Amino acid sequence: QVQLQQSGLGLLKPSQTLSLTCAISGDSVSSISSSWHWIRQSPSRGLEWLGRTYLRSKWYDDYAESVKGRMTINPETAKNYFTLRLRSVTPEDTAVYFCASGLGDSGVFDSWGQGTLVTVSS
Amino acid sequence: EIVMTQSPDTLSVSPGERATLSCRATQSVSSNLAWYQQKPGQAPRLLIYDASTRATGIPARFSGSGSGTEFTLTISSLQSEDFALYYCQQYNKWPALTFGGGTKVEIK
Repeated sequence: QVQLQQSGLGLLKPSQTLSLTCAISGDSVSSISSSWHWIRQSPSRGLEWLGRTYLRSKWYDDYAESVKGRMTINPETAKNYFTLRLRSVTPEDTAVYFCASGLGDSGVFDSWGQGTLVTVSS
Repeated sequence: EIVMTQSPDTLSVSPGERATLSCRATQSVSSNLAWYQQKPGQAPRLLIYDASTRATGIPARFSGSGSGTEFTLTISSLQSEDFALYYCQQYNKWPALTFGGGTKVEIK
């Protein structure tokens, strides 16, 4: 069973960059049969898929339109984790952020991290 | 964007009774539909994927059905640990995966 452990700072000011890490145990970020996702949840927007990274013949990433251009998801193969960076945050980015593993390329999230509350406030 | 609408918002059910939750998509998602359970302070947990396949370790009292735009999650005999929030999610359209707004199953 895959386990995901999140870490990162949860209090930011507007315009700063959000950085979160998701450490993987029980699988490899380099697995060609898995994918690695970030999802957030807020009262105003509900559950919102943000993006993913995965390795097939090469590394790929996809992002939701709502964060495209501001978000980067990167694998760290040597330490078996993946990261989220979200630039130029606003109060609208306040949410609980989850990392999750995906079943292959399906977009089904079979394991989740514990969640990190991120608050953006001046 | 495919909008997922769940109904009802809240379902009041007595322990041992059946619960039926609905999820509707604004366009066909084929069978690319998952259901998750979430309890307060926890991450969602995968229950069902491909509309009707139970995830590993999920009890047989949970079942899913439907295809296209109409889906149902049925809990055949509610146990105390089943009172929670339930979300549907479509994964048919990339990179625009979307979730429903949730149905709260509460004790009657």
